[in-house]
Amino acid sequence: ETGVTQTPRHLVMGMTNKKSLKCEQHLGHNAMYWYKQSAKKPLELMFVYSLEERVENNSVPSRFSPECPNSSHLFLHLHTLQPEDSALYLCASSQDHRAQYEQYFGPGTRLTVT
Amino acid sequence: LAKTTQPISMDSYEGQEVNITCSHNNIATNDYITWYQQFPSQGPRFIIQGYKTKVTNEVASLFIPADRKSSTLSLPRVSLSDTAVYYCLVLPSGNTPLVFGKGTRLSVIA
Repeated sequence: ETGVTQTPRHLVMGMTNKKSLKCEQHLGHNAMYWYKQSAKKPLELMFVYSLEERVENNSVPSRFSPECPNSSHLFLHLHTLQPEDSALYLCASSQDHRAQYEQYFGPGTRLTVT
Repeated sequence: LAKTTQPISMDSYEGQEVNITCSHNNIATNDYITWYQQFPSQGPRFIIQGYKTKVTNEVASLFIPADRKSSTLSLPRVSLSDTAVYYCLVLPSGNTPLVFGKGTRLSVIA
């Protein structure tokens, strides 16, 4: 138990669906992250939020839309996804968004796009 | 941003000591070295971090030579549950975020 929870743990959606992934951290951290991990590929940083402001957006397609209503919650809204978007989506948090600070990861959401 | 190079995979028998070496030739003066561990279908978790010489905790030891161009993660007496991917990362100063590479896939065999 890392103090970072993600729901749902598994999600199957069609290409025309709209769904949201939720992340919550109970660590009092100021930074939150979304990562994508496809099979046999390194973790890809998608978005970074610091104190509810987005500080990093790594050329992610607009069909992924993040939302950070407060420093404890992070959402990833999904719409019109493609099969190649199937992956493990990981949320993380850290005390500060700079790399020197240890990141705590959630268990991930296994997403399958059909 | 310092690039890291580590073996793609390693195999070990239970009870052996495993050493995973990472090279980071262009590490900067203020950069720290950190290692994360990732079990299948889980998020990575921090193992150990160091700047130079040797750091030890309850999980592993980290050896960093004087030139800091490489580092070695040492796992004593591995068990089947140590089967995971191990990532070596160089932590840049400033606002640059972490970049994970492909890591080393360690398989522990009975």
